[in-house]
Amino acid sequence: NAGVMQNPRHLVRRRGQEARLRCSPMKGHSHVYWYRQLPEEGLKFMVYLQKENIIDESGMPKERFSAEFPKEGPSILRIQQVVRGDSAAYFCASSPPGQRGTEAFFGQGTRLTVV
Amino acid sequence: GENVEQHPSTLSVQEGDSAVIKCTYSDSASNYFPWYKQELGKGPQLIIDIRSNVGEKKDQRIAVTLNKTAKHFSLHITETQPEDSAVYFCAAPRGSQGNLIFGKGTKLSVKP
Repeated sequence: NAGVMQNPRHLVRRRGQEARLRCSPMKGHSHVYWYRQLPEEGLKFMVYLQKENIIDESGMPKERFSAEFPKEGPSILRIQQVVRGDSAAYFCASSPPGQRGTEAFFGQGTRLTVV
Repeated sequence: GENVEQHPSTLSVQEGDSAVIKCTYSDSASNYFPWYKQELGKGPQLIIDIRSNVGEKKDQRIAVTLNKTAKHFSLHITETQPEDSAVYFCAAPRGSQGNLIFGKGTKLSVKP
């Protein structure tokens, strides 16, 4: 059973370009969470999705950021018109369906660098 | 909303000594408390967790204790080894949705 798969592992974008980060959850997991981590800092919640639904996007910036988890395929975190401040590690986690308080497993992250 | 406080932010111990990291949470409805270990350049790895119906859980050299009345939980690592050096995060679920809110992390250094 493969773990949470994120790609790419490293992504370099010029200011103004778009960044697309992909996350395939563990088999059987229907909940996906995206977190952002700046160097030497903790994990900041961004968005929580279930298949075809956004459950909680309270941590997402209102502009330029969007996320989806379609019926088929990976979850996508999309950042439009990237700026230097978007440079960070973005982690995806997944958990199985069920009540609150279930184990969440993380991928290895995508390190976005905006130049 | 849920708030998770973690202390200390850095911890340095000699190999073989014990290390303790403490967290407090604010949402009294929280019922699940995981701990993650993050090594440089890698994603957080779930190392142990505890649910609110027990007060302590142990797995080899690591243990977690929970005090629901005081709303705090702790990670205990005994007989520390250099490979235990990493950043450790505690977390608790937010509201009724289950997404985890993380503490700011503890950088543990184990000196040989």
